[in-house]
Amino acid sequence: DAGVIQSPRHEVTEMGQEVTLRCKPISGHDYLFWYRQTMMRGLELLIYFNNNVPIDDSGMPEDRFSAKMPNASFSTLKIQPSEPRDSAVYFCASSFPGLYGYTFGSGTRLTVV
Amino acid sequence: DAKTTQPNSMESNEEEPVHLPCNHSTISGTDYIHWYRQLPSQGPEYVIHGLTSNVNNRMASLAIAEDRKSSTLILHRATLRDAAVYYCIPLNYGGSQGNLIFGKGTKLSVKP
Repeated sequence: DAGVIQSPRHEVTEMGQEVTLRCKPISGHDYLFWYRQTMMRGLELLIYFNNNVPIDDSGMPEDRFSAKMPNASFSTLKIQPSEPRDSAVYFCASSFPGLYGYTFGSGTRLTVV
Repeated sequence: DAKTTQPNSMESNEEEPVHLPCNHSTISGTDYIHWYRQLPSQGPEYVIHGLTSNVNNRMASLAIAEDRKSSTLILHRATLRDAAVYYCIPLNYGGSQGNLIFGKGTKLSVKP
């Protein structure tokens, strides 16, 4: 298995532009999580899905952020419009219910200038 | 959510054992204790987890106190590749998948 695949690895965009981050979870994993990591705030859970349905989005910072999971093999995190304070590394993770560990992707480093 | 306390940083010499402590005095009876680590420029990586008994796997051992208020992750022979931030995370599965909530963790440095 190739693991959790995130794209792009790096994204540099100008303030005000729309940014879309993508994630392909491990096949068979029913849960998908989006995290954000910054030096100041550490790793923060933004939103998670179960069977493609959003379960808890209380960590989404504001309405500029949205996440979708149209099918079991694909999820997106969209920021519109982007701001410099959104600069961070965004991680996607997936897991299988039960006593298994989460598998994280390599992350997308977002820089908003 | 149960709170955890870990040292900010620790140092070890290569090929020596490392004991990484974690206090989780407010842990509930159904919380599993998970350990993850994050190597530089990578996503977090699952290390080990347990409920009450000590656990071993190919990466590490987990020693859980009898009262479950603390645990220790043991790396038997540290290598340079073990330099990472280690997170101790109580996780309550309940009737559904729990959420991993990361604290600040312990930054482990390994000296050659």
